[in-house]
Amino acid sequence: SQQGEEDPQALSIQEGENATMNCSYKTSINNLQWYRQNSGRGLVHLILIRSNEREKHSGRLRVTLDTSKKSSSLLITASRAADTASYFCATDGGNNRLAFGKGNQVVVIP
Amino acid sequence: DTEVTQTPKHLVMGMTNKKSLKCEQHMGHRAMYWYKQKAKKPPELMFVYSYEKLSINESVPSRFSPECPNSSLLNLHLHALQPEDSALYLCASSLTGTPEPEAFFGQGTRLTVV
Repeated sequence: SQQGEEDPQALSIQEGENATMNCSYKTSINNLQWYRQNSGRGLVHLILIRSNEREKHSGRLRVTLDTSKKSSSLLITASRAADTASYFCATDGGNNRLAFGKGNQVVVIP
Repeated sequence: DTEVTQTPKHLVMGMTNKKSLKCEQHMGHRAMYWYKQKAKKPPELMFVYSYEKLSINESVPSRFSPECPNSSLLNLHLHALQPEDSALYLCASSLTGTPEPEAFFGQGTRLTVV
């Protein structure tokens, strides 16, 4: 069963703007991960946040985790055309059961 | 080498055919996964192998048969598929026993069942 579920949204933003997307999940987790997928190809790992962390940064990415609300957000700052992709959160509840949420389509207009 | 290699990239098969999808990694990862992804949907977990043993089977129909011959290879044998099985099939691998189990994905096999 899928754990992570993003708010279903398709974002269309101008290059240089920030993009924010959210994810909610239902059960306890060990960690939450965000992945990017370009044009129906393989997924690329972006960032992982552990269940005992509240915020994490990696380059232009900022992820937050609120375990009391079972939610996470991913912020991409200063977006670029190359950031156009689908973004998925994935939760790991243990035993390598990595389950993906619905995904957000982000289009960055040059 | 941080790649997961999947072959073939594209596959068209009839409903009576038998075919296999292949996945290979040389990162020393001992967890390997098969996912199925339909258009505009998230990947759905099918199988997980941990140390070459099947650890998770998400109630996948028996027309899909996974195999893990060794720690670097993962196969998915296909037989008597239905048109609704057409999808992108993704293989992934990750370390086990680590607090940060980042999964590495292959580029997928786009399967069409006719």
